[in-house]
Amino acid sequence: AQSVSQHNHHVILSEAASLELGCNYSYGGTVNLFWYVQYPGQHLQLLLKYFSGDPLVKGIKGFEAEFIKSKFSFNLRKPSVQWSDTAEYFCAVNADYQLIWGAGTKLIIKP
Amino acid sequence: SAVISQKPSRDICQRGTSLTIQCQVDSQVTMMFWYRQQPGQSLTLIATANQGSEATYESGFVIDKFPISRPNLTFSTLTVSNMSPEDSSIYLCSVALAGSIEQFFGPGTRLTVL
Repeated sequence: AQSVSQHNHHVILSEAASLELGCNYSYGGTVNLFWYVQYPGQHLQLLLKYFSGDPLVKGIKGFEAEFIKSKFSFNLRKPSVQWSDTAEYFCAVNADYQLIWGAGTKLIIKP
Repeated sequence: SAVISQKPSRDICQRGTSLTIQCQVDSQVTMMFWYRQQPGQSLTLIATANQGSEATYESGFVIDKFPISRPNLTFSTLTVSNMSPEDSSIYLCSVALAGSIEQFFGPGTRLTVL
């Protein structure tokens, strides 16, 4: 069965630190990949997506993610985080027209 | 994009009762979905709401427990029936626009069952 694994459930960083959140999936076919973010008290919103083409995709608020097909990974990165990046981040994979979700990573940025 | 509203935003219900959650979209959409997000867990798809026909339920979810209506392309309801404390969760409506697999989410309904 398809699955999505996010390695860290909780991450605590100081402002200006670099961020990398891991996401691995298990699915042998063509996939579309997403990162969603849920800020405190707000609804889920799309951060970035990969459908095809350049495996390095850029999203909103300075986030980027790299699709590495050989590693079945789609890690999220940001070179310098801000306090406002405190949120929960979800990786999702579209396989067979259904979104499969990771468990989410709660990111806390200390000011 | 699509703007989605849900009602109610939260509710506290007694065991054995039922709650109907409404989802309204600001444009006509092909695909509407209902998810559950239990405390500390990720999103789990309950069903796909189909306009004009019965919803398509995922494994572990049944129509008797989670009846869904979709009378038109902008509106759907999810009912949580005969509730128990295990049904305490956030219920989310999402939509995908025609020709797209990207999903847009509503604000969710936080349900607590006592």
